[in-house]
Order: sequence, then C-alpha cells, then structure tokens
Amino acid sequence: DGGITQSPKYLFRKEGQNVTLSCEQNLNHDAMYWYRQDPGQGLRLIYYSQIVNDFQKGDIAEGYSVSREKKESFPLTVTSAQKNPTAFYLCATRGLSSYEQYFGPGTRLTVT
Amino acid sequence: QKEVEQNSGPLSVPEGAIASLNCTYSDRVSQSFFWYRQYSGKSPELIMSIYSNGDKEDGRFTAQLNKASQYVSLLIRDSQPSDSATYLCAVNKEDYGQNFVFGPGTRLSVLP
Repeated sequence: DGGITQSPKYLFRKEGQNVTLSCEQNLNHDAMYWYRQDPGQGLRLIYYSQIVNDFQKGDIAEGYSVSREKKESFPLTVTSAQKNPTAFYLCATRGLSSYEQYFGPGTRLTVT
Repeated sequence: QKEVEQNSGPLSVPEGAIASLNCTYSDRVSQSFFWYRQYSGKSPELIMSIYSNGDKEDGRFTAQLNKASQYVSLLIRDSQPSDSATYLCAVNKEDYGQNFVFGPGTRLSVLP
C-alpha cells in the first residue's frame, strides 16, 4: 500500500510541551515538505528537505525543528517556542524529476 | 501585492453549470502551476498541473494558463455537488528552491 502517512490524525497537548508529528512515505520521493494551514488560509511552508541529512527553513520555521535521517521519514517537532501551534499540519512529497507535490492526510494539532 | 491571489468565494453555481475559478500571480518567472482540491477537514488533492500557455483538459476539468497576463484558471464542466470544496492554486518558483507558493483558496459550492 503506497503513499504518505501522517500520525496521529488528531493530537492534543498542553502549552509548554514539545510534540513530534510523524510523516512517512514509501513513494521513493526525494523531497519532503511540512506546511501549516490555519482556518480559511492557504498553506505556509515550515521546512523542506530535498535530500537525506539536509533541510532548509521555509517561511515560518521559528518554533519548529525537523530531521531527515532516512529518505522515508521527515518528522516535525513543534516546540514550546512556537507561539500559536494550533493548526492543521500537512506533509508533502515530490519526486526530483517532477514538480508535483502530493500530500499526506494531515495532523490536526490542538494546544491548550 | 500577494504573490498568488484567488477570490475567496464562496462561489455558488447550480448543478450542471460550468464553474470558473481564477488565480493571478505576481512573479513573471513562475513556470509551473497547479490546482488542488481540498474537502473540508481533509488534505489537498492534486487535480491539475499546467506548464505551458493554453488549455489542458482532463475529464470535466480544464486548466487555462496565460503567462503574459499572469493568470491561471480552472474550469469545471457539468459541476456536481461532490465538486463542492476549496480549490487551491499553487505556483512553483524556481528561485524559491523549486517550492510552491499557495493562494488562499476559493470555496466552491455546487447547489443541487
């Protein structure tokens, strides 16, 4: 069963706690992305990685961290430094020979 | 000026009509353009990509690109209630690490 998986689907945390969101893919895509979506708004890029052990900040990287130790995995940590972490988090992948990005099902994070 | 603009809607059309969704972009060097459909609470799904001026048809969907006027549109023929969703326009920027800039999306409502 090919595709992109994100877990968990819903995540609830108390303010001040770090939380890690999982993104796994078996599409053999080289590039992976993390986006954030707030209600009624478009997607904003948090971090991206085009190759293992390398990643770049997007437009809103403050308060987030990532790692890319394996081609298949690109976890995102939402740290306590992120001021407004409640949002819908989307992971996407892209093959290097293509411009098209494909999205996982997303994780809805609520921090209270 | 925002990089990618879309009318937020909602755009309401009767079942069976043609829905026309528009997107304008500010960066003349943009080369690749994408339309995603996002149902409420779900992740975006790629429905069309277009790279050169003119029309590209796929089933009931037609994407139209005019690079001189910097707009891209999506036509949905024979609209169905199941087409009711938010449609996101994305523009690839080569000087942005091959990354996408997304518009805020247009909410389409197809009335039975």
